[in-house]
Amino acid sequence: AQSVAQPEDQVNVAEGNPLTVKCTYSVSGNPYLFWYVQYPNRGLQFLLKYITGDNLVKGSYGFEAEFNKSQTSFHLKKPSALVSDSALYFCAVRDFNQAGTALIFGKGTTLSVSS
Amino acid sequence: DTEVTQTPKHLVMGMTNKKSLKCEQHMGHRAMYWYKQKAKKPPELMFVYSYEKLSINESVPSRFSPECPNSSLLNLHLHALQPEDSALYLCASSQDSAYSRGGTEAFFGQGTRLTVV
Repeated sequence: AQSVAQPEDQVNVAEGNPLTVKCTYSVSGNPYLFWYVQYPNRGLQFLLKYITGDNLVKGSYGFEAEFNKSQTSFHLKKPSALVSDSALYFCAVRDFNQAGTALIFGKGTTLSVSS
Repeated sequence: DTEVTQTPKHLVMGMTNKKSLKCEQHMGHRAMYWYKQKAKKPPELMFVYSYEKLSINESVPSRFSPECPNSSLLNLHLHALQPEDSALYLCASSQDSAYSRGGTEAFFGQGTRLTVV
């Protein structure tokens, strides 16, 4: 089965500084990778995905992610953090098996941006 | 319209009650999903429907019963729940069917906050 790991429970960054939220993957074949954000008591919002092509993927709200095959990583980045970016971030992988496919999520990383 | 609508937003039910959660999407998506999420934890897959047929059941207890009446609607019927079933229940949909090898993203509803007393 495919899986993703988020090694950090929490990331703290000052407003205006660059941020990185880490994700590593374990898949057989080519990975389909996603980032989602969740604000308190809300559903998940899609940020960006990597399917194929350029290793640098640009997404919503100024976020981008870099796919690195040799390091099996898909880190989320933003050049300048905003206080409003504070939220719970999930990396996900599309898992394929005989029964079908669905998104499988990492444990999540809480991003806290201080003013 | 990239919206998945879930009702109700909040639900409190007793352990002997029967209730239903409803999910609706009008994007023509071929797959619909139910996830369960505990506080500060990742969503856990419960069920997947493709073309209105159940394709994945992640060993969910029978007190949770999904139903897909048509391509736009997904229900989750609840009966004899336990307090540990209290959670945020998320519905999602994606353009690709669950049998496809495509890479489309899933769109999530805002969830139903369920409390079992």
